[in-house]
Amino acid sequence: GENVEQHPSTLSVQEGDSAVIKCTYSDSASNYFPWYKQELGKGPQLIIDIRSNVGEKKDQRIAVTLNKTAKHFSLHITETQPEDSAVYFCAASKGQAGTALIFGKGTTLSVSS
Amino acid sequence: DSGVTQTPKHLITATGQRVTLRCSPRSGDLSVYWYQQSLDQGLQFLIQYYNGEERAKGNILERFSAQQFPDLHSELNLSSLELGDSALYFCASSVIAGGPYNEQFFGPGTRLTVL
Repeated sequence: GENVEQHPSTLSVQEGDSAVIKCTYSDSASNYFPWYKQELGKGPQLIIDIRSNVGEKKDQRIAVTLNKTAKHFSLHITETQPEDSAVYFCAASKGQAGTALIFGKGTTLSVSS
Repeated sequence: DSGVTQTPKHLITATGQRVTLRCSPRSGDLSVYWYQQSLDQGLQFLIQYYNGEERAKGNILERFSAQQFPDLHSELNLSSLELGDSALYFCASSVIAGGPYNEQFFGPGTRLTVL
């Protein structure tokens, strides 16, 4: 079955710096790749996603890139702010209606001011 | 706020007991997913229901079961509880409108503690 590896497990940056989190997946049939942000005591919140027919997607300070050949995708956060501090999860699925998400282990991002 | 609601927020019980977790999906969403989040296993898919019928199964123990009712709310039943069942249980919902995409929106979770 699908396996998603996520790195790094922890990431500390200064406010204003960029942060990059990388994920690799094993199943070449996967075609939907969402990213979730989880704050303490809350459920995961969908922040951005990308489909396999797109190489890059941006939403304000957040961008995601996908390399289908290498089977990896990355989350880029620019101009980080203290409120970006949270645990970030990548996930993959085959994108068909009703397919479960397979999650990476998460990255704890700490942004210090 | 994702629009997905879960009750209760916290649940403390003893080994061997049975509990029921409840989830109401976002308005208009037909599919409900249950996930378990533990420190050692991360976020793991348990089971999915679509419009009242079981659609997919993941790493769900035989002691666990779920159902989705005609009003689309779902319940996850956990029985013969063990210490290792202590975890956060999340419900997510999605609209399945015939397309290939699978945006899932998560509820706030139920924290289960088994003593």
